[in-house]
Amino acid sequence: KAGVTQTPRYLIKTRGQQVTLSCSPISGHRSVSWYQQTPGQGLQFLFEYFSETQRNKGNFPGRFSGRQFSNSRSEMNVSTLELGDSALYLCASRQTLQGDEKLFFGSGTQLSVL
Amino acid sequence: DQQVKQNSPSLSVQEGRISILNCDYTNSMFDYFLWYKKYPAEGPTFLISISSIKDKNEDGRFTVFLNKSAKHLSLHIVPSQPGDSAVYFCAARVGGGSNYKLTFGKGTLLTVNP
Repeated sequence: KAGVTQTPRYLIKTRGQQVTLSCSPISGHRSVSWYQQTPGQGLQFLFEYFSETQRNKGNFPGRFSGRQFSNSRSEMNVSTLELGDSALYLCASRQTLQGDEKLFFGSGTQLSVL
Repeated sequence: DQQVKQNSPSLSVQEGRISILNCDYTNSMFDYFLWYKKYPAEGPTFLISISSIKDKNEDGRFTVFLNKSAKHLSLHIVPSQPGDSAVYFCAARVGGGSNYKLTFGKGTLLTVNP
């Protein structure tokens, strides 16, 4: 079974631009979560989607948005990029919304904002 | 306000000895705790978890201890192996189901020397 796939692996953008990151969950997993990892803040929760609906949201500005498609694939969008948005963006999936399931993470998209 | 704290950014241990990674939390509503391991250029992978109703969980060389009164948990790795060298993240969760938001610590870099 293939793992969580994130594309692209690396991205370089300039301030003010917008970016879209993609995540394909493990087959059969219907929940997709997004996390931001920075050296100073560690991993921080952005949002979680299940069945195309946002179920939970972290404390990030509205410039960060996401969506989920009917095939469970998810995209995350960041508009009006700032230097501080440079980070590793991790996607994670789980099968359902029940129980104590662990998250399965992708390898991430490394975003650099110049 | 960091609710999950890993106060040691790094730890160096000799192969064959015990590695002890510590984690403190402030939110008494956390009911489930997890440890993730992360190698460079890869996403975090689940290692071991513990429910707040237990004080110990063991899986092979890995044991997690939970002290609820002290709001402290620790991960013991015995014996440590060079392949265990990675960043270890402690994570905690409030509730389950649709509220699956993990709060991570900033991580501890473990180096196991041959």
